[in-house]
Amino acid sequence: AQKVTQAQTEISVVEKEDVTLDCVYETRDTTYYLFWYKQPPSGELVFLIRRNSFDEQNEISGRYSWNFQKSTSSFNFTITASQVVDSAVYFCALSETNYGGSQGNLIFGKGTKLSVKP
Amino acid sequence: DGGITQSPKYLFRKEGQNVTLSCEQNLNHDAMYWYRQDPGQGLRLIYYSQIVNDFQKGDIAEGYSVSREKKESFPLTVTSAQKNPTAFYLCASSIQAGVVSNEQFFGPGTRLTVL
Repeated sequence: AQKVTQAQTEISVVEKEDVTLDCVYETRDTTYYLFWYKQPPSGELVFLIRRNSFDEQNEISGRYSWNFQKSTSSFNFTITASQVVDSAVYFCALSETNYGGSQGNLIFGKGTKLSVKP
Repeated sequence: DGGITQSPKYLFRKEGQNVTLSCEQNLNHDAMYWYRQDPGQGLRLIYYSQIVNDFQKGDIAEGYSVSREKKESFPLTVTSAQKNPTAFYLCASSIQAGVVSNEQFFGPGTRLTVL
């Protein structure tokens, strides 16, 4: 069965601190995709990044970086020099690959609520 | 601007009443989804539709119904059979169903409260 675990329910940091959000996944497939979404207080989920299972290069986008390690089945997300605007719930998701009708559906973790205090 | 709209933003319902949540997209996406979000529970899939006139149950379909008569629209009805309907409901779409690389795009959500 496929599963996504975000063990950190809530994290609180002070502005300018670095913070890493953990994501561990389970799948038997060799080809799969992982995603990160941000949900600000307004409620709408915003897509941040997609990574396929064959690409283990780290990704950096401004203050955001992602570390994908197949050996530990992890896809962690780091925010460098956090800002108050980073306060949100962050979700990690895995694309379902059962080759049936639900292929392509997303399996979400329970999310990590990040609070960045000034 | 392309996107997904959900209405209303806030909805109040008396116990025993059915209520319909609207979801419209102008992205020309084939697939649409409905999720329920409860505190600490993440997103749980209610129903999804891969194409017009077709839809499938997700993980928590009991007490809900949907229709997909038009590509742009995927309304969700919360029936009186849903025991605990108070939650935040999110609609999403993706360009094509069944493709593992496709991301989903989300609407702003509807917060339903049963009084």
